[in-house]
Amino acid sequence: AQTVTQSQPEMSVQEAETVTLSCTYDTSENNYYLFWYKQPPSRQMILVIRQEAYKQQNATENRFSVNFQKAAKSFSLKISDSQLGDTAMYFCAFMKQNYGGSQGNLIFGKGTKLSVKP
Amino acid sequence: DTGVSQDPRHKITKRGQNVTFRCDPISEHNRLYWYRQTLGQGPEFLTYFQNEAQLEKSRLLSDRFSAERPKGSFSTLEIQRTEQGDSAMYLCASSLAVSRRETQYFGPGTRLLVL
Repeated sequence: AQTVTQSQPEMSVQEAETVTLSCTYDTSENNYYLFWYKQPPSRQMILVIRQEAYKQQNATENRFSVNFQKAAKSFSLKISDSQLGDTAMYFCAFMKQNYGGSQGNLIFGKGTKLSVKP
Repeated sequence: DTGVSQDPRHKITKRGQNVTFRCDPISEHNRLYWYRQTLGQGPEFLTYFQNEAQLEKSRLLSDRFSAERPKGSFSTLEIQRTEQGDSAMYLCASSLAVSRRETQYFGPGTRLLVL
């Protein structure tokens, strides 16, 4: 069974600074996807960034980038130039990949509550 | 594209009552997922559909829970004889699973409180 661990329940960062959120996972699969989702207070979950395990290059989306270390089973999220609107719960998630593509359900960590302070 | 919608957004019920939630996925998305999220936790998978077929159910989905997606479009999740432990946010997500780039898009959730 796969597990996802986020060891930082809460973090804070000053506006315009950089913050890194940690995520580790456990799996015996070789092919899978990893995701970071953001859940703002009282708002719905939205995708921040995704990474295919077969890709060595780290994914980037504007101010968001990941550090994917497959051997270490680590998948951290870096947020550069933090903005007040980045305040949210951040969830790391894992999805298996089968021959035809994805394998359905996401497995989430417990989340990290990020507060961006002015 | 109006996104995933869920109805109702909030539901308060008494223990023992039945409740039903509805999810409307993004149009043309062939997969639909249900998750449950309790306070301070990440979402936990309950079940998912590909078109009309229910392909997987979690062990979390007790016999009191049933989900349907009768025409491959909207889905309903029913909880019978609710218990206080059923209090949670019920999230729906949809995706288009035709390539390796499947991404699940979430709805706003239905928050259930069982008294």
